[in-house]
Amino acid sequence: NAGVTQTPKFQVLKTGQSMTLQCAQDMNHEYMSWYRQDPGMGLRLIHYSVGAGITDQGEVPNGYNVSRSTTEDFPLRLLSAAPSQTSVYFCASRSQGAPNQPQHFGDGTRLSIL
Amino acid sequence: QQQVKQSPQSLIVQKGGISIINCAYENTAFDYFPWYQQFPGKGPALLIAIRPDVSEKKEGRFTISFNKSAKQFSLHIMDSQPGDSATYFCAASSQAGTALIFGKGTTLSVSS
Repeated sequence: NAGVTQTPKFQVLKTGQSMTLQCAQDMNHEYMSWYRQDPGMGLRLIHYSVGAGITDQGEVPNGYNVSRSTTEDFPLRLLSAAPSQTSVYFCASRSQGAPNQPQHFGDGTRLSIL
Repeated sequence: QQQVKQSPQSLIVQKGGISIINCAYENTAFDYFPWYQQFPGKGPALLIAIRPDVSEKKEGRFTISFNKSAKQFSLHIMDSQPGDSATYFCAASSQAGTALIFGKGTTLSVSS
């Protein structure tokens, strides 16, 4: 049971480049989300999805797009990378229903924008 | 506006001591208060959680104390060990909400 798998683990981009951070879970969880973690800022929600075909914005959505075509996958797209997007990105999932369920996190993607 | 405030930002405790991390929240609709533990290079993992109908929950050396009237909750780590050295996040969510709101984290170092 792999849980939540994020790829790549590390990435360096140049300003203006685009890329997709991949997230896959094998727990049949309906709810998936993306967070970014910056020093002293904690974990801030970027986008989330309550099921296939349904996405919504979190606290810091600007500069990021998401889609949810399957239950398993929830990719995060950076359309035109900016240095301010240098961060560690975490994907998480939990079972459907109330948010009072444990969230399972991947091990993160460490992204540097030059 | 920060909905969950966590303190201290960093903490150094001697082996065998008690580590205490505090959080305060503003939204009275919050009804689920988990603590997550994160080791370097890893994602956060659920450590322990509490709901507001109880004032305390204990799991091994880890205890959450909850004060509903003060809108505060805290994590106590008894007999702290070097292996407890990690970053700890408090969080909160509500039945009506769809996301966990995290505090900014506390980096705990347990010296041997």
